[in-house]
Amino acid sequence: GAVVSQHPSWVICKSGTSVKIECRSLDFQATTMFWYRQFPKQSLMLMATSNEGSKATYEQGVEKDKFLINHASLTLSTLTVTSAHPEDSSFYICSAPINSGRGETQYFGPGTRLLVL
Amino acid sequence: AQSVTQLDSHVSVSEGTPVLLRCNYSSSYSPSLFWYVQHPNKGLQLLLKYTSAATLVKGINGFEAEFKKSETSFHLTKPSAHMSDAAEYFCVVSVYNFNKFYFGSGTKLNVKP
Repeated sequence: GAVVSQHPSWVICKSGTSVKIECRSLDFQATTMFWYRQFPKQSLMLMATSNEGSKATYEQGVEKDKFLINHASLTLSTLTVTSAHPEDSSFYICSAPINSGRGETQYFGPGTRLLVL
Repeated sequence: AQSVTQLDSHVSVSEGTPVLLRCNYSSSYSPSLFWYVQHPNKGLQLLLKYTSAATLVKGINGFEAEFKKSETSFHLTKPSAHMSDAAEYFCVVSVYNFNKFYFGSGTKLNVKP
């Protein structure tokens, strides 16, 4: 099946620093990828849609200047958490869709656990 | 608007007994519905999906779900639970040609020996 990878799998950083998370589709191309955030014991919340070759679209309440998204190629999207603070500590998950002709199926990366001290 | 309600946050069953995880959805359009499983410290794995074909959908590991439009439900079932089924399960709704996925709040399945 389709594989989506994320790097790093976990990261610890100091408050005020920036952290970059990569999302790659390993065996298929994705013009669109999605970034989610999952707080402990909560569900996944869609943060933004990453669009290859154009600007990302953000969900309501998500700060675009804080969560910078770049979709540089058909297999890579990056999420940069700028000036991270402890409240940004979360589990960040990306996904990429494959359209089988009867709708989209999302394939999810394994997630990146971010801890901001 | 699309939304998903998972009616139980926790379900506990004994090994070998049936599993029922409940999901109700709301959608302005004909929905696609999915069940994903998340094991601790692992990524989300697709169990099964409904995309307007057969209403009874069979997935991996013996799971199946039935789409009932009249009840706006998509409950997940398995005849006999296995210890390895212990995980968190998410019901998801999407709309054809719309990429966005809307997640339910999740149901944590505990399987007792």
